[in-house]
Amino acid sequence: QKEVEQNSGPLSVPEGAIASLNCTYSDRGSQSFFWYRQYSGKSPELIMFIYSNGDKEDGRFTAQLNKASQYVSLLIRDSQPSDSATYLCAVRKDDYKLSFGAGTTVTVRA
Amino acid sequence: EPEVTQTPSHQVTQMGQEVILRCVPISNHLYFYWYRQILGQKVEFLVSFYNNEISEKSEIFDDQFSVERPDGSNFTLKIRSTKLEDSAMYFCASSERGLAGWVDTQYFGPGTRLTVL
Repeated sequence: QKEVEQNSGPLSVPEGAIASLNCTYSDRGSQSFFWYRQYSGKSPELIMFIYSNGDKEDGRFTAQLNKASQYVSLLIRDSQPSDSATYLCAVRKDDYKLSFGAGTTVTVRA
Repeated sequence: EPEVTQTPSHQVTQMGQEVILRCVPISNHLYFYWYRQILGQKVEFLVSFYNNEISEKSEIFDDQFSVERPDGSNFTLKIRSTKLEDSAMYFCASSERGLAGWVDTQYFGPGTRLTVL
């Protein structure tokens, strides 16, 4: 079983729509959860993190965490063409490393 | 805004050669990391480093790899004898705190693309 699983996509949404990204993780000891955005050929760029069950909003982004279901999601509201990228879910236990999923590719159609 | 920097942006080497990848972490950060990403694959953790010691390493980080903080600003990854399968993008990251249980964000540098021929 993979540590962190994401749908690879591509997820295609029209401009202005909501993009919904999902991530599941296998280790119940995971404590903090991160969403990174990665443009092709570039490095991961932090969007937001979450560590408590529930929702956390930051601008057009909302992260949702459900530890009982071992599930974390990211909603992108009012999607823009500049949001077209690969979105990486990363999970951290009580150690130092981030464990990444393979990423979901999002394409926003103008 | 402070950022992690890495040099070179692209390194081409022959199989069996040694390479050193360099990173300058964000200045007030205390924890440093190396990750790699083989083309088309996920980002993989290699090693974390704090207080001049390796704090954690993955099974990828074998005896061919080493890390060093040679001065107050640089953090390096050395690959002693490169293999074809070492071709990847190598990312350095740093964080302010790495304490267990503390939510701590890692900021990534732009990466070094290593090509082993």
